[in-house]
This record gives sequence, structure tokens and C-alpha cells, in this order.
Amino acid sequence: NAGVTQTPKFQVLKTGQSMTLQCAQDMNHNSMYWYRQDPGMGLRLIYYSASEGTTDKGEVPNGYNVSRLNKREFSLRLESAAPSQTSVYFCASSVSGFSYEQYFGPGTRLTVT
Amino acid sequence: SQKIEQNSEALNIQEGKTATLTCNYTNYSPAYLQWYRQDPGRGPVFLLLIRENEKEKRKERLKVTFDTTLKQSLFHITASQPADSATYLCALGLSGGSYIPTFGRGTSLIVHP
Repeated sequence: NAGVTQTPKFQVLKTGQSMTLQCAQDMNHNSMYWYRQDPGMGLRLIYYSASEGTTDKGEVPNGYNVSRLNKREFSLRLESAAPSQTSVYFCASSVSGFSYEQYFGPGTRLTVT
Repeated sequence: SQKIEQNSEALNIQEGKTATLTCNYTNYSPAYLQWYRQDPGRGPVFLLLIRENEKEKRKERLKVTFDTTLKQSLFHITASQPADSATYLCALGLSGGSYIPTFGRGTSLIVHP
């Protein structure tokens, strides 16, 4: 099992460009999440999908959109990148429901110039 | 407002000693608390979960305590090794609300040989 995979690993964008971060899990998990991690800020939830077909906003959703393509895949889109979106992005998944541990991908390091 | 506090200063200890990391919280009624390990350039990895009605949980050299009166969790690594050097994150899940945990900023542990 690969667990949670993310592509790309690194990306540099210019302000105003768009891109999609891809995430896939092979653990048959129902719930998936997108976080960003900035120095001194910890992990902050951007969007999550409790189950296939549903998505909800997290703590910092502005400037992002998500798509739960199927049970395995959950993508994060930046429509018009801004320097404030420079961060490391992590995708995670969990079985579902109450207090299940999350499994994280390796992260995407994004720089917006 | 709700806060999760972890010591921002790195904890330096000698190999073989017990490392103790602290997670304090305010304005939360957590249903559970989790601890994760994060190595540089990688995603967090789940270590332990403790529920609000549990005082202590152990797993090999790891021990977690949860004191809902003091609003504090302690994370212990006994017989620490240089390989235990990493950043450790605590995460709280709320009772009666979203099941998704909120993460602290993490504490760096450095174990010297």
C-alpha cells in the first residue's frame, strides 16, 4: 500500500497563476483533508471531505477550492495564487468519524513569487 | 478563544533520559487528544490517542497522560534515542462538535548521543 500520495512535491508559481494539487489514498478511507503548514502556525485545515460527494470549509478556505473526485482522490485548486499561499500543503485521510487517526501524505512545498 | 499551547522552544535531552513534552489547552472540552511525530520534510505520523475518560495510555516506550482538570496532556518517551529527535504535535478533538482534530504548533525534541 502506498498510503497517501501527493503530487507534485515542489512547485513554484507566479502571482495570479493557477494550479491543482493532487492527492490520492489507497486505504479505502472515507474522509480526506487538506492542511497548510506555515512556520510558527502549525497545521491549519483548509477543506475536508467527510465522505465521497461532500466537501466542507475548514479554518482557512479563502483562495482555495476542492474536488472529491471519487473515494480515493481529493484535489486542491488555487485559482489565482498569491504570495500568502506560499506554504507546505499536506493531504490526509482517515477511516471516518469520531477520533480516528489521520494518515498524512509527504506534502507539497509551494512557493508563490 | 480556543488555544492549544505547546512549548515553542526545543527540548534538548541526553540519550537514555526520559523526554517529557507538554500540551496545554484553554477553552476546549476535548473528547480526545492525539500525538503525532513529524520529521523534517515529511508529513505527521500518528502515535497515540487518548480519550477524555482515560488517564494514561502506553505504547512501547511512549506514555501519554491526559488531565482534563488541569487541561493538560504530557507525552513521555522513556530511554530516549537520537532517532527520537523530531517535532511532536498534539491535536485535540472536540466533544459534541466536528470530529476533526485541531493541531498545536508542535515542540521540537533533540536527543543528544
